[in-house]
Amino acid sequence: KNQVEQSPQSLIILEGKNCTLQCNYTVSPFSNLRWYKQDTGRGPVSLTIMTFSENTKSNGRYTATLDADTKQSSLHITASQLSDSASYICVVSRPDQTGANNLFFGTGTRLTVIP
Amino acid sequence: DAGVIQSPRHEVTEMGQEVTLRCKPISGHNSLFWYRQTMMRGLELLIYFNNNVPIDDSGMPEDRFSAKMPNASFSTLKIQPSEPRDSAVYFCASSLSWGAREETQYFGPGTRLLVL
Repeated sequence: KNQVEQSPQSLIILEGKNCTLQCNYTVSPFSNLRWYKQDTGRGPVSLTIMTFSENTKSNGRYTATLDADTKQSSLHITASQLSDSASYICVVSRPDQTGANNLFFGTGTRLTVIP
Repeated sequence: DAGVIQSPRHEVTEMGQEVTLRCKPISGHNSLFWYRQTMMRGLELLIYFNNNVPIDDSGMPEDRFSAKMPNASFSTLKIQPSEPRDSAVYFCASSLSWGAREETQYFGPGTRLLVL
């Protein structure tokens, strides 16, 4: 079973509307959680990084929340634009013995914003 | 900075052939990562290097896959022999360091590999 589950798998919304993407994880212990945006045909781009002590972080119209107790994160997009159409990937890190991080990836949510 | 550079951008080859993917990380970055992405499995970390040394290659699927980083500005991922199931997009990413909790990885544009 994947240790990072994202929902929904895909989402279509009208331009200007808000939406929320979900990420639930079972990874433990926890180091940090990242949200990436991946445009079609391009590599992922980091949107936010949150550590255990942070429960919200914003990047423009993107706001990520984290509840480390319930192991849930959400990415809220405000006033969506056509350029928000992309896949959004949740990645959870677990510290390992080398001092680096094991990475666990969600399969992503495909967002389509229509005019 | 030009960002992470990967070549080729597209590769079509026949089963059994050797494939070499190349990556130039962002100058000054000490960590480099190779990923594979497919529709079925999403993003998978194959291997990462820190200061040119492979740290964790547990994601490398088989002995057919090998990666090297001979210096701080160049890395290769080789598949020999290639198989149709290796068809995927391969990303290279780099970061200033790894282990720091808030370190950001910067991804290249990817190499789209099709093995016939």
